[in-house]
Amino acid sequence: AQSVTQPDARVTVSEGASLQLRCKYSYSGTPYLFWYVQYPRQGLQLLLKYYSGDPVVQGVNGFEAEFSKSNSSFHLRKASVHWSDSAVYFCVLSLTGGYKVVFGSGTRLLVSP
Amino acid sequence: NSKVIQTPRYLVKGQGQKAKMRCIPEKGHPVVFWYQQNKNNEFKFLINFQNQEVLQQIDMTEKRFSAECPSNSPCSLEIQSSEAGDSALYLCASSLGTGENTLYFGAGTRLSVL
Repeated sequence: AQSVTQPDARVTVSEGASLQLRCKYSYSGTPYLFWYVQYPRQGLQLLLKYYSGDPVVQGVNGFEAEFSKSNSSFHLRKASVHWSDSAVYFCVLSLTGGYKVVFGSGTRLLVSP
Repeated sequence: NSKVIQTPRYLVKGQGQKAKMRCIPEKGHPVVFWYQQNKNNEFKFLINFQNQEVLQQIDMTEKRFSAECPSNSPCSLEIQSSEAGDSALYLCASSLGTGENTLYFGAGTRLSVL
């Protein structure tokens, strides 16, 4: 069965520090992978997506992610976080040949001053 | 920023009451999805449409939930008889329905059933 695992429920980093949020997926087909961010009382906003090509994809607000087929991973990174990055981040897998989407459990990021 | 518009943002209902929420998908997106997000950040797929036709829906949706996406009108999701367990954030998303199926979400309707 397909799955997305975000092993860290909560991550706390200091403002200005670098960030990595982990995501592992399980899927035998070609994965389409996304990172979304959810701010309080908001919907999900797309940060970036990967479906082919360069395994490092750039997103909005300085975020990037690296796809690794060998590790079945799609980790999100940012070189220097800002307090406004505090939110919940979701890794999402879209399956080929249909409209099924699998959500990770989310990682709550807190950026401390 | 997403151009999916959901109304109302907040909905408060008593148990047994009807709850109706609406969604205007992004222009040009023929596929619309409804998800329920609970307080534990678990997402439950409810139903999706391609243009006005239902593609997939879960059993829960078939019983107390109804949804439609009429042409030239907002899509809607209605709960006929609300239960406390329906309290959640209801998210509408739309997509082009091609290739990687990127979903664009609205801000959601937060339903509280008292």
